[in-house]
Amino acid sequence: KAGVTQTPRYLIKTRGQQVTLSCSPISGHRSVSWYQQTPGQGLQFLFEYFSETQRNKGNFPGRFSGRQFSNSRSEMNVSTLELGDSALYLCASSLGRGDGGYTFGSGTRLTVV
Amino acid sequence: GQQVMQIPQYQHVQEGEDFTTYCNSSTTLSNIQWYKQRPGGHPVFLIQLVKSGEVKKQKRLTFQFGEAKKNSSLHITATQTTDVGTYFCAVFSGGYNKLIFGAGTRLAVHP
Repeated sequence: KAGVTQTPRYLIKTRGQQVTLSCSPISGHRSVSWYQQTPGQGLQFLFEYFSETQRNKGNFPGRFSGRQFSNSRSEMNVSTLELGDSALYLCASSLGRGDGGYTFGSGTRLTVV
Repeated sequence: GQQVMQIPQYQHVQEGEDFTTYCNSSTTLSNIQWYKQRPGGHPVFLIQLVKSGEVKKQKRLTFQFGEAKKNSSLHITATQTTDVGTYFCAVFSGGYNKLIFGAGTRLAVHP
Protein backbone atom coordinates (compact mmCIF):
# COMPACT_ATOMS: atom_id res chain seq x y z
CA LYS A 1 0.00 0.00 0.00
CA ALA A 2 1.08 3.57 -0.59
CA GLY A 3 3.04 5.26 2.16
CA VAL A 4 2.66 8.73 3.60
CA THR A 5 3.00 11.31 0.86
CA GLN A 6 4.23 14.81 1.50
CA THR A 7 4.30 17.60 -1.05
CA PRO A 8 6.25 19.49 -2.07
CA ARG A 9 9.60 17.86 -1.27
CA TYR A 10 11.54 21.10 -1.39
CA LEU A 11 10.51 24.70 -1.02
CA ILE A 12 12.36 28.01 -0.93
CA LYS A 13 10.50 30.99 0.44
CA THR A 14 11.33 34.55 1.38
CA ARG A 15 11.00 35.98 4.86
CA GLY A 16 7.52 37.30 5.49
CA GLN A 17 5.82 34.96 3.02
CA GLN A 18 3.50 32.19 3.99
CA VAL A 19 3.65 28.51 3.03
CA THR A 20 1.30 25.53 2.94
CA LEU A 21 2.55 21.95 3.15
CA SER A 22 0.47 18.90 2.38
CA CYS A 23 0.38 15.40 3.80
CA SER A 24 -1.62 12.40 2.59
CA PRO A 25 -1.62 9.62 5.18
CA ILE A 26 -1.69 5.89 4.60
CA SER A 27 -5.15 4.80 3.52
CA GLY A 28 -7.21 4.04 6.60
CA HIS A 29 -5.02 6.07 8.93
CA ARG A 30 -7.02 8.80 10.58
CA SER A 31 -4.37 10.42 12.74
CA VAL A 32 -1.80 12.81 11.29
CA SER A 33 0.98 14.40 13.32
CA TRP A 34 3.38 17.10 12.19
CA TYR A 35 6.97 17.58 13.30
CA GLN A 36 9.66 20.14 12.69
CA GLN A 37 13.18 18.77 12.49
CA THR A 38 16.26 20.97 12.76
CA PRO A 39 19.87 20.08 13.61
CA GLY A 40 19.74 22.18 16.77
CA GLN A 41 16.32 21.27 18.15
CA GLY A 42 15.80 17.76 16.88
CA LEU A 43 12.28 16.49 16.23
CA GLN A 44 9.75 18.92 17.67
CA PHE A 45 6.03 18.10 17.85
CA LEU A 46 3.83 20.66 16.12
CA PHE A 47 0.29 19.23 16.29
CA GLU A 48 -1.84 16.15 15.80
CA TYR A 49 -5.16 15.80 14.01
CA PHE A 50 -7.74 13.06 14.12
CA SER A 51 -11.07 13.13 12.30
CA GLU A 52 -10.58 16.79 11.39
CA THR A 53 -9.99 17.81 15.02
CA GLN A 54 -6.75 19.02 16.50
CA ARG A 55 -6.21 16.85 19.56
CA ASN A 56 -2.86 18.15 20.67
CA LYS A 57 -0.49 21.00 19.99
CA GLY A 58 3.18 21.65 20.65
CA ASN A 59 4.90 24.82 21.78
CA PHE A 60 5.01 26.74 18.56
CA PRO A 61 3.78 30.27 17.87
CA GLY A 62 0.37 30.89 16.35
CA ARG A 63 2.01 31.40 12.95
CA PHE A 64 2.01 27.62 12.70
CA SER A 65 -1.42 26.18 12.01
CA GLY A 66 -2.89 23.11 10.46
CA ARG A 67 -6.05 21.39 9.44
CA GLN A 68 -7.31 18.01 8.42
CA PHE A 69 -9.88 17.20 5.79
CA SER A 70 -12.60 14.58 5.81
CA ASN A 71 -10.39 12.23 3.75
CA SER A 72 -7.70 12.50 6.48
CA ARG A 73 -5.34 14.51 4.31
CA SER A 74 -3.73 17.28 6.29
CA GLU A 75 -2.13 20.61 5.60
CA MET A 76 0.04 22.81 7.72
CA ASN A 77 0.50 26.49 7.18
CA VAL A 78 3.23 28.81 8.36
CA SER A 79 2.55 32.51 8.01
CA THR A 80 5.03 35.39 8.14
CA LEU A 81 8.00 33.13 7.62
CA GLU A 82 11.18 33.72 9.59
CA LEU A 83 14.69 32.50 8.84
CA GLY A 84 14.45 30.18 11.84
CA ASP A 85 11.55 28.34 10.23
CA SER A 86 13.98 26.68 7.84
CA ALA A 87 13.67 22.99 8.63
CA LEU A 88 12.53 19.60 7.51
CA TYR A 89 8.80 19.29 8.15
CA LEU A 90 7.66 15.73 8.64
CA CYS A 91 4.21 14.33 8.90
CA ALA A 92 3.40 10.96 10.35
CA SER A 93 0.24 8.92 10.26
CA SER A 94 -1.22 6.23 12.45
CA LEU A 95 -4.53 4.40 12.74
CA GLY A 96 -5.79 6.43 15.66
CA ARG A 97 -3.92 5.69 18.79
CA GLY A 98 -0.28 6.09 18.00
CA ASP A 99 0.83 3.16 20.08
CA GLY A 100 1.25 0.94 17.07
CA GLY A 101 3.97 3.18 15.73
CA TYR A 102 3.94 6.11 13.37
CA THR A 103 4.67 5.98 9.65
CA PHE A 104 6.51 9.06 8.48
CA GLY A 105 6.53 10.72 5.10
CA SER A 106 9.74 11.80 3.40
CA GLY A 107 9.24 15.36 4.55
CA THR A 108 9.24 18.82 3.04
CA ARG A 109 12.54 20.66 3.20
CA LEU A 110 11.70 24.36 3.69
CA THR A 111 14.38 26.98 3.25
CA VAL A 112 13.58 30.57 4.19
CA VAL A 113 15.86 33.19 2.69
CA GLY B 1 4.93 17.02 29.87
CA GLN B 2 6.81 13.80 29.39
CA GLN B 3 10.46 14.09 28.36
CA VAL B 4 13.23 11.62 27.73
CA MET B 5 16.97 12.06 27.89
CA GLN B 6 18.88 10.07 25.32
CA ILE B 7 22.60 9.27 25.51
CA PRO B 8 25.09 9.34 23.99
CA GLN B 9 24.49 12.09 21.47
CA TYR B 10 26.97 10.59 19.04
CA GLN B 11 28.90 7.36 18.76
CA HIS B 12 31.65 6.29 16.45
CA VAL B 13 32.34 2.55 16.14
CA GLN B 14 34.40 0.26 13.98
CA GLU B 15 32.40 -2.17 11.93
CA GLY B 16 31.87 -5.31 13.98
CA GLU B 17 31.82 -3.51 17.33
CA ASP B 18 28.70 -3.31 19.46
CA PHE B 19 26.63 -0.18 20.05
CA THR B 20 24.18 0.84 22.75
CA THR B 21 21.96 3.89 23.15
CA TYR B 22 19.98 4.69 26.29
CA CYS B 23 16.80 6.60 27.05
CA ASN B 24 15.95 7.77 30.54
CA SER B 25 12.85 9.34 32.01
CA SER B 26 12.23 10.80 35.46
CA THR B 27 8.68 9.43 35.41
CA THR B 28 7.16 6.05 34.71
CA LEU B 29 6.42 5.49 31.06
CA SER B 30 3.37 3.71 29.64
CA ASN B 31 5.45 2.53 26.71
CA ILE B 32 8.39 3.56 24.59
CA GLN B 33 9.01 3.44 20.87
CA TRP B 34 12.24 3.34 18.89
CA TYR B 35 12.86 4.79 15.45
CA LYS B 36 15.78 4.88 13.04
CA GLN B 37 16.50 7.71 10.64
CA ARG B 38 19.08 7.13 7.92
CA PRO B 39 21.07 10.15 6.71
CA GLY B 40 18.83 12.18 4.41
CA GLY B 41 15.85 10.02 5.27
CA HIS B 42 12.89 10.05 7.58
CA PRO B 43 12.28 8.23 10.88
CA VAL B 44 11.22 4.62 10.53
CA PHE B 45 9.42 2.82 13.33
CA LEU B 46 11.41 -0.08 14.75
CA ILE B 47 9.54 -1.31 17.80
CA GLN B 48 7.36 -0.52 20.79
CA LEU B 49 7.98 -1.78 24.32
CA VAL B 50 5.15 -1.90 26.81
CA LYS B 51 5.85 -4.30 29.65
CA SER B 52 8.19 -3.85 32.59
CA GLY B 53 11.48 -5.68 31.94
CA GLU B 54 10.50 -6.46 28.37
CA VAL B 55 13.23 -7.58 25.97
CA LYS B 56 12.65 -7.82 22.24
CA LYS B 57 15.05 -8.80 19.50
CA GLN B 58 15.15 -7.99 15.83
CA LYS B 59 18.12 -9.80 14.29
CA ARG B 60 21.17 -7.98 15.69
CA LEU B 61 19.08 -5.37 17.54
CA THR B 62 18.02 -5.93 21.16
CA PHE B 63 15.55 -3.59 22.83
CA GLN B 64 15.01 -3.48 26.59
CA PHE B 65 12.51 -1.73 28.81
CA GLY B 66 13.58 -1.23 32.41
CA GLU B 67 11.88 -2.92 35.34
CA ALA B 68 10.66 0.44 36.63
CA LYS B 69 9.60 1.51 33.11
CA LYS B 70 11.76 4.61 33.39
CA ASN B 71 14.51 3.65 31.01
CA SER B 72 15.12 1.75 27.83
CA SER B 73 18.04 0.71 25.69
CA LEU B 74 18.78 -0.35 22.15
CA HIS B 75 21.79 -2.57 21.63
CA ILE B 76 23.22 -3.48 18.25
CA THR B 77 25.57 -6.45 18.08
CA ALA B 78 28.38 -6.49 15.53
CA THR B 79 27.50 -3.25 13.78
CA GLN B 80 27.46 -3.02 10.01
CA THR B 81 27.69 0.01 7.75
CA THR B 82 23.96 -0.39 7.10
CA ASP B 83 23.34 0.49 10.76
CA VAL B 84 24.49 4.07 10.18
CA GLY B 85 21.87 6.65 11.13
CA THR B 86 20.23 8.32 14.10
CA TYR B 87 18.31 6.25 16.60
CA PHE B 88 15.48 7.93 18.47
CA CYS B 89 13.43 6.85 21.39
CA ALA B 90 9.95 8.35 21.68
CA VAL B 91 7.30 8.48 24.38
CA PHE B 92 3.72 9.67 24.64
CA SER B 93 2.96 12.80 26.59
CA GLY B 94 -0.59 13.32 27.77
CA GLY B 95 -2.41 10.64 25.82
CA TYR B 96 -1.67 8.56 22.76
CA ASN B 97 -1.71 11.48 20.38
CA LYS B 98 1.42 13.43 21.27
CA LEU B 99 4.62 11.50 20.64
CA ILE B 100 7.73 13.20 21.98
CA PHE B 101 11.13 12.24 20.64
CA GLY B 102 14.44 12.07 22.43
CA ALA B 103 17.36 14.01 20.98
CA GLY B 104 18.63 10.90 19.21
CA THR B 105 21.94 9.08 19.06
CA ARG B 106 23.85 9.41 15.82
CA LEU B 107 25.77 6.25 14.95
CA ALA B 108 28.74 6.32 12.61
CA VAL B 109 30.23 2.98 11.54
CA HIS B 110 33.70 2.84 10.05
CA PRO B 111 34.52 -0.10 7.80
